[in-house]
Amino acid sequence: AQTVTQSQPEMSVQEAETVTLSCTYDTSESNYYLFWYKQPPSRQMILVIRQEAYKQQNATENRFSVNFQKAAKSFSLKISDSQLGDTAMYFCASRANFGNEKLTFGTGTRLTIIP
Amino acid sequence: KAGVTQTPRYLIKTRGQQVTLSCSPISGHRSVSWYQQTPGQGLQFLFEYFSETQRNKGNFPGRFSGRQFSNSRSEMNVSTLELGDSALYLCASTAGQHTDTQYFGPGTRLTVL
Repeated sequence: AQTVTQSQPEMSVQEAETVTLSCTYDTSESNYYLFWYKQPPSRQMILVIRQEAYKQQNATENRFSVNFQKAAKSFSLKISDSQLGDTAMYFCASRANFGNEKLTFGTGTRLTIIP
Repeated sequence: KAGVTQTPRYLIKTRGQQVTLSCSPISGHRSVSWYQQTPGQGLQFLFEYFSETQRNKGNFPGRFSGRQFSNSRSEMNVSTLELGDSALYLCASTAGQHTDTQYFGPGTRLTVL
């Protein structure tokens, strides 16, 4: 079984600043994937970034990057130069490998970017 | 490519009724997963279909069922609706390979009165 924990229910940051969202997980799988999804007020779930557990290099997508600490089972998301459009709920999720499509989600962090 | 589509977007039903929600995956995707999102329980996995077969199932009562057609479109059905079934129902698709990422539709907002 997999569990995902997000300990920050809400965060706010000034526009253009950097913010880090925390996520810890637990899994018995040896191979797995980790994701950050964004859900803006429109409720559309949008993939932000993904990380394969077997890759040591941290994933990066433009202003978004992760700090993946496999031994500590930590997977934090850093948003640089934050923009008003980054205001959303952010969900951390894990998925086992090998044909299991089930995503296990954390409870989410509500991020507000202040102009 | 067009994204994942879900119909209807909004639905209001009364207790005891049944409801069918539809999901059309991204063209070429063969796997469809369903999730229920509520303020109290968060995002919970319902089931996943791949090539018309249910491959995984979450911990939901038998009132929740689904199916997938040969064109990969999927439907989920909830019978004997309860107030607690009010939720946003999200559908996601992948090509079905284990390296894939799930892409989500806009969801169907179900309200049970």
